[in-house]
Amino acid sequence: AQTVTQSQPEMSVQEAETVTLSCTYDTSESDYYLFWYKQPPSRQMILVIRQEAYKQQNATENRFSVNFQKAAKSFSLKISDSQLGDAAMYFCAYRSGYGGATNKLIFGTGTLLAVQP
Amino acid sequence: SAVISQKPSRDICQRGTSLTIQCQVDSQVTMMFWYRQQPGQSLTLIATANQGSEATYESGFVIDKFPISRPNLTFSTLTVSNMSPEDSSIYLCSVVWADRPNQPQHFGDGTRLSIL
Repeated sequence: AQTVTQSQPEMSVQEAETVTLSCTYDTSESDYYLFWYKQPPSRQMILVIRQEAYKQQNATENRFSVNFQKAAKSFSLKISDSQLGDAAMYFCAYRSGYGGATNKLIFGTGTLLAVQP
Repeated sequence: SAVISQKPSRDICQRGTSLTIQCQVDSQVTMMFWYRQQPGQSLTLIATANQGSEATYESGFVIDKFPISRPNLTFSTLTVSNMSPEDSSIYLCSVVWADRPNQPQHFGDGTRLSIL
């Protein structure tokens, strides 16, 4: 069975600084997708960034980028130029690439990010 | 992008009662999922709502406790039956669109449920 581990329950960053959130996963599959979701206090789950395992290039979305190390099964999220609105719980998630949309998301335990003004 | 509406957004219920949560999408979707997020915890999949057939439940979740309906491609309900304080959680629906099966799941705003 696949597992997702986030070893940092809480992180803090100064506004305008850079922070990296860690995520590791375990799988025997070769085809899969990895995601970072953000959940602010409003509790809505917002997709931050997505990475396909078959792509070597790290995904980037504006101030958000990932460091995907497939051999190490590591998928960290870097937030550059942190803003107050980035404060939220961040979840790393895994989805198998087999079976298409029928596969569930497996979530890590989350990292609560605080942004200090 | 499409809109996913969940109702109610929150409720406080007495133990032993049941509550039905609705998830409405403004476009047809391939799959609808129901997740539970217990206080301070991560999300756990309850079941996949299948259109026109019985839902597929994950280990630890049973139909008698969490009956699910999905009468069409845009609507699903989750009922939390015979509630106890341990059912106090956020319940979220998520969807994948019919014409974008390999795209990420998108989530509704969730229902915060408290049982007294």
